[in-house]
Amino acid sequence: DAGITQSPRYKITETGRQVTLMCHQTWSHSYMFWYRQDLGHGLRLIYYSAAADITDKGEVPDGYVVSRSKTENFPLTLESATRSQTSVYFCASRASGSGGANEQFFGPGTRLTVL
Amino acid sequence: AQKVTQAQTEISVVEKEDVTLDCVYETRDTTYYLFWYKQPPSGELVFLIRRNSFDEQNEISGRYSWNFQKSTSSFNFTITASQVVDSAVYFCALWARNSGGSNYKLTFGKGTLLTVNP
Repeated sequence: DAGITQSPRYKITETGRQVTLMCHQTWSHSYMFWYRQDLGHGLRLIYYSAAADITDKGEVPDGYVVSRSKTENFPLTLESATRSQTSVYFCASRASGSGGANEQFFGPGTRLTVL
Repeated sequence: AQKVTQAQTEISVVEKEDVTLDCVYETRDTTYYLFWYKQPPSGELVFLIRRNSFDEQNEISGRYSWNFQKSTSSFNFTITASQVVDSAVYFCALWARNSGGSNYKLTFGKGTLLTVNP
C-alpha cells in the first residue's frame, strides 16, 4: 500500500532493553523524520534524515539511534530503553523542494511503553 | 528562537457553533511557512493547510478558514458550524530558521483539544 507505515503499532518493553521502531514510506521522499509526542510537550523532533546515509539530530536525540541505508526505510532504535522514553512515536516524510517547506506526511504512530 | 504558542489547551463547543483556534508564532526569519495539522482520536496526524509568510490572504476550504496576520504574528483557524467529527487535537506549526542559523526546522505548538458535543 502506498503511504507511510510504522511497525509495531504497540510495544511494551522493559527498562534496559533495546527496541527498534520501523518506518517505511513508498513515496520516495527524500526527507524522513522521527518525532515523539508527550502530553504537555506536543511533538518534538528526535532525528531526521535528508537522504539515504544522511542523518542529523533534532531537539531530543539522547538515547536514540537512527540509520538510513535505503531511502524508503528509517528505523529508530532505543539502545537501552528508559521509562522516560514511554511515548507515542511518529515517523514522517516529505518531498524535497519548496525550500524545504513541503508538508510532512505522518505515519500512524507507535505507542511504546517502557516498564 | 522560534516558538509556536497555542494558548487554548482545550475548547468545548456544542455542534453547529463556530469555533476559532488561536496560533501565535515567533520567528526572526523573514521567509517562513505555517501549517495546521489535525489529530483525531484515532491518533494519526492529518495535514490541513500550509501558508507562506508572503501570502496574507485568508483561505477558506469548506467549513474551515484560516486568518493569517503578520502584524500580530497569528495564524488562526476557524471552523464554522462545527460537527462532532471535528473533535480532535489541532496543531499549529512553524517552518523557519533559528536565529543566525541556516537550517530550517518545523516547530509545533502544544496543540488544542477541540471537543464538539452533539
